Amino acid sequence: NAGVTQTPKFQVLKTGQSMTLQCAQDMNHEYMSWYRQDPGMGLRLIHYSVGAGITDQGEVPNGYNVSRSTTEDFPLRLLSAAPSQTSVYFCASRPSTSPNEQFFGPGTRLTVL
Amino acid sequence: AQSVSQHNHHVILSEAASLELGCNYSYGGTVNLFWYVQYPGQHLQLLLKYFSGDPLVKGIKGFEAEFIKSKFSFNLRKPSVQWSDTAEYFCAVVNSGGYQKVTFGTGTKLQVIP
Repeated sequence: NAGVTQTPKFQVLKTGQSMTLQCAQDMNHEYMSWYRQDPGMGLRLIHYSVGAGITDQGEVPNGYNVSRSTTEDFPLRLLSAAPSQTSVYFCASRPSTSPNEQFFGPGTRLTVL
Repeated sequence: AQSVSQHNHHVILSEAASLELGCNYSYGGTVNLFWYVQYPGQHLQLLLKYFSGDPLVKGIKGFEAEFIKSKFSFNLRKPSVQWSDTAEYFCAVVNSGGYQKVTFGTGTKLQVIP
C-alpha cells in the first residue's frame, strides 16, 4: 500500500492564483481530512469528509474548497491564493470504525507571494 | 468543545536526560488519545495511542504515556532521550461518538543536545 499520497511536495503561487492540492489514499478509508500546519499553532482542520459525496468545514475553511467524488481522492482547492495561506498542508485518512488512528500524507509546502 | 493543551512549547535536553511532555485535554465523554511525532522535514507519524485498558501505554522508540482520567492528562515520557529524538511532538484527542472529531495540541519542539 502506498498509504496517503500528496502532490505536489512544494508549490509557489502568486497572490490571486488558484491551484489544487491532490490527496489520495489506497486504504479504503471513509474519513479524510485536510490540515494546515503553522508554527506555534499545531494542526488546524480545514475541511473533512466522512465518505464519497460528503464534506464539511473544519476550523479554518475560508478560502478553500473540497470535493469527494471517490473514496480514494480528496483534493483541496485554493480559489484565489493569499499570503496568509502560506503553510504546510497535510492530508490524512482513517477508517470510520472506532477506535481508529489517522494516517498522514507527506505534506505540501505552499508559499504564496 | 474539546481542546488539547500542551504547555511546553520548546524543550531542550541533553542526551540521556529524562523526558516528560505534558498533555491535558478537556472533553466530558470517552476519548481516544494519541501522541504523534514529526521529525524535521517529515510528516506526522504515530508514536503511541490509548484506546482502553491499561492506562500506561508503550510506543515505539522507548516512549510511553500514562492516561490519568481524573487529571484529563496523557503525558509522554522517555527515560533517556537520544539526539535522534529531536522532533516536534503533538498530542491529539478523538472523541468516541459521532464523527469522532480529532483535536491536536499546538505541539512541543524537543531539541536534544549531544
